[in-house]
Amino acid sequence: QLQLQESGPGLVKPSETLSLTCTVSGDSVSSGSFYWGWIRQPPGKGLEWIGTIYHSGSTYYNPSLKSRLTISVDTSKNQFSLKLSSVTAADAAVYFCARHSGRNAVWTPFDFWGQGTLVTVSS
Amino acid sequence: DIQMTQSPSTLSASVGDRVTITCRASQSIFGWLAWYQQKPGKAPKLLIYKASSLESGVPSRFSGSGSGTEFTLTISSLQPDDFATYYCQQYSSQNTFGPGTKVDIK
Repeated sequence: QLQLQESGPGLVKPSETLSLTCTVSGDSVSSGSFYWGWIRQPPGKGLEWIGTIYHSGSTYYNPSLKSRLTISVDTSKNQFSLKLSSVTAADAAVYFCARHSGRNAVWTPFDFWGQGTLVTVSS
Repeated sequence: DIQMTQSPSTLSASVGDRVTITCRASQSIFGWLAWYQQKPGKAPKLLIYKASSLESGVPSRFSGSGSGTEFTLTISSLQPDDFATYYCQQYSSQNTFGPGTKVDIK
């Protein structure tokens, strides 16, 4: 059974870089033909797609975050990661990692999700 | 960018009710629409993809319809487990989620 687990600091200072990792178990990020994504949800608000990566390293970013965002993949650890620089209070959210459902298709829904991790931005 | 809207934002209903939620896109997304259910403190769960295809394991009381810019999610007979927030998502051009519809107990 595929499982995804987010990890990283729960508290980040304003202007610093938020770094999260998603560890995949039950499947390989490199053996399949799936794309892997990050989504966030500010407390009490809706969902926002952050970005997506393929095991080859190809990335797709939300234009509103692109200038601050880096998503990378480490196939040896079966992980993919998110770095968001220059954070502000507006970046405080629950961050989810998830798998796109379609094989060889980036623009598909998310069928498997991690449980999410809360990131607070405060000095 | 494609914008998504949902109506209503909140819906009060009783067990056994037929419930319909509407999602609209700012431009045609053909049939590239998904619906998710989210409960407090949990990740969203995929219910419907390609506007009307039921995800494996999802009860048949859930159904989706629509194309172009207007879509609906229908729950034919609301069950206690269905009280949650529902989101639509377009994946025609990148990904955009709707603002959500909370279904609560009347």
